[in-house]
Amino acid sequence: QQQVKQSPQSLIVQKGGISIINCAYENTAFDYFPWYQQFPGKGPALLIAIRPDVSEKKEGRFTISFNKSAKQFSLHIMDSQPGDSATYFCAASMFGSYKLIFGSGTRLLVRP
Amino acid sequence: KAGVTQTPRYLIKTRGQQVTLSCSPISGHRSVSWYQQTPGQGLQFLFEYFSETQRNKGNFPGRFSGRQFSNSRSEMNVSTLELGDSALYLCASSFGQGTETQYFGPGTRLLVL
Repeated sequence: QQQVKQSPQSLIVQKGGISIINCAYENTAFDYFPWYQQFPGKGPALLIAIRPDVSEKKEGRFTISFNKSAKQFSLHIMDSQPGDSATYFCAASMFGSYKLIFGSGTRLLVRP
Repeated sequence: KAGVTQTPRYLIKTRGQQVTLSCSPISGHRSVSWYQQTPGQGLQFLFEYFSETQRNKGNFPGRFSGRQFSNSRSEMNVSTLELGDSALYLCASSFGQGTETQYFGPGTRLLVL
């Protein structure tokens, strides 16, 4: 019940296309859902985060869509660029907890 | 503002040895969390400290321990190293109250031979 399931494992998108990564969770006590981006040799960097009381959050080219009833959330990267090529992790945590439960990661490659 | 710093960045040890990794959080942050990242298990939570107290612990054996100092700097220790402990160890810091946003350091890559 503590797991966060992430798909796909890898994704190839053409420059200018839309990248979509999906995550699903079981524990309804989760109330904070961040997305992290990680480049090789670097630590994960927070991209965008959402709470269950909001169905969508947009920051620049990055959008989180949240479906509370389905216990699913997804990251959309609009106008994908080669510089977006990285590994993306979804995560979840409970209120007051600093324990992030991570998805397994998605390796994104944006072709020029 | 300086980010989270971790030392050393790379480390090679042999089985049975012990190792200590260090993390300096962002100035003003009082919470430090540690994560282990491996290709097989992904990112897994080790423990979290706030004001020198461990608030949360993941499912790791007792060989993994940590502590936090009064200046919020944190160390984690792994005793009796095993080959499977080879991983990237990441430290993340946050204010610790009111917001869960965590900022990660670059990690320490540990190789156990």
